[in-house]
Amino acid sequence: DTGVSQDPRHKITKRGQNVTFRCDPISEHNRLYWYRQTLGQGPEFLTYFQNEAQLEKSRLLSDRFSAERPKGSFSTLEIQRTEQGDSAMYLCASSPTTGSAEAFFGQGTRLTVV
Amino acid sequence: TQLLEQSPQFLSIQEGENLTVYCNSSSVFSSLQWYRQEPGEGPVLLVTVVTGGEVKKLKRLTFQFGDARKDSSLHITAAQTGDTGLYLCAGNTGGFKTIFGAGTRLFVKA
Repeated sequence: DTGVSQDPRHKITKRGQNVTFRCDPISEHNRLYWYRQTLGQGPEFLTYFQNEAQLEKSRLLSDRFSAERPKGSFSTLEIQRTEQGDSAMYLCASSPTTGSAEAFFGQGTRLTVV
Repeated sequence: TQLLEQSPQFLSIQEGENLTVYCNSSSVFSSLQWYRQEPGEGPVLLVTVVTGGEVKKLKRLTFQFGDARKDSSLHITAAQTGDTGLYLCAGNTGGFKTIFGAGTRLFVKA
């Protein structure tokens, strides 16, 4: 296992379209996180899964956003009816359940809404 | 609200110089991480500190966790152009959520 993998790396979409991103975490990690990062800012927490259970969802995540982790392995993040303000880097990270909770990140999906 | 404030926001130095960047909060953290991020890539973990007063070294990088576990510093000795990037600190207060500072953008000139 080479780390957290995200797909696609880049996505350009028209306003109003739906997009879905995929994240494959490090295989032995139970925790999976989604973050959003805009230019000049640090990553902002969006949501967290422990195995298949979504345990927290940020207020940043409007009802147009939904995330799933159906089998406790890979996760998807869907954005419906995209808006220009959704343009950002979407980062996925995973961490083991025990230990110091340090998170390992994927390379991110850069979303541009035109 | 937990906030991690990083300073300076931007730093441009000459190759060979030393520098220190800071990460401060009013919250106590059970652990704190430093990451480096290059444009278009995800953050890469550099170090985790968990004990107040802890000092860790990674080649020319020295990380310190404050005694009260509310702050941290990263010192780079003899900076190289390859050190250029965004340095992020991130803290965990004992739960599952890690919060990030806005980062220090370092540019090392040849």
